[in-house]
Amino acid sequence: KQEVTQIPAALSVPEGENLVLNCSFTDSAIYNLQWFRQDPGKGLTSLLLIQSSQREQTSGRLNASLDKSSGRSTLYIAASQPGDSATYLCAVRPGGGGNKLTFGTGTQLKVEL
Amino acid sequence: DAGVIQSPRHEVTEMGQEVTLRCKPISGHNSLFWYRQTMMRGLELLIYFNNNVPIDDSGMPEDRFSAKMPNASFSTLKIQPSEPRDSAVYFCASSSTAGGGNQPQHFGDGTRLSIL
Repeated sequence: KQEVTQIPAALSVPEGENLVLNCSFTDSAIYNLQWFRQDPGKGLTSLLLIQSSQREQTSGRLNASLDKSSGRSTLYIAASQPGDSATYLCAVRPGGGGNKLTFGTGTQLKVEL
Repeated sequence: DAGVIQSPRHEVTEMGQEVTLRCKPISGHNSLFWYRQTMMRGLELLIYFNNNVPIDDSGMPEDRFSAKMPNASFSTLKIQPSEPRDSAVYFCASSSTAGGGNQPQHFGDGTRLSIL
């Protein structure tokens, strides 16, 4: 059974700092991995999707990497801003078919002025 | 573009009552997912549909839960009878199977359900 872990559970940083969020998964046979953000009282917003054959994806100040063999992904946020404050979740889709995502428990990020 | 639309946004009802949650997926998306989010268990997939057909309902907790997708633009999740432990935020998401399945899922804002 796939298990997805995110560390740390919470993180507080000053504005402008570069930061890294971690995601690890136990079964490396994945189809893709997604990073989402969730704002309070809202649904999840997809940030980046990395296919199993890819090593990284970039969107603006966000860069996500994938090391499938070691079961790890990182989300790098450059020059953090207060608007980046949210909970960040990673989710993996199994490689054996099916559309069932397994989510991590998330990292709650607070960027302070 | 209209995103995934869920209704109601909030529902408070008494134990034993029937609850119906509604979802309108993004037009053109052919996969639809129902999730439940709680502090204790995080985000769990309850059921998903491809082309209006239920594919995997292994996450549906009990027979009290049922989901339907009568057409490509509408789905319901029903709980009958409801119990306090069903209190959670229920999310609907949709995606397209184009691109070999490497399309992101798009979430609605959820229904916050409280069973008293």
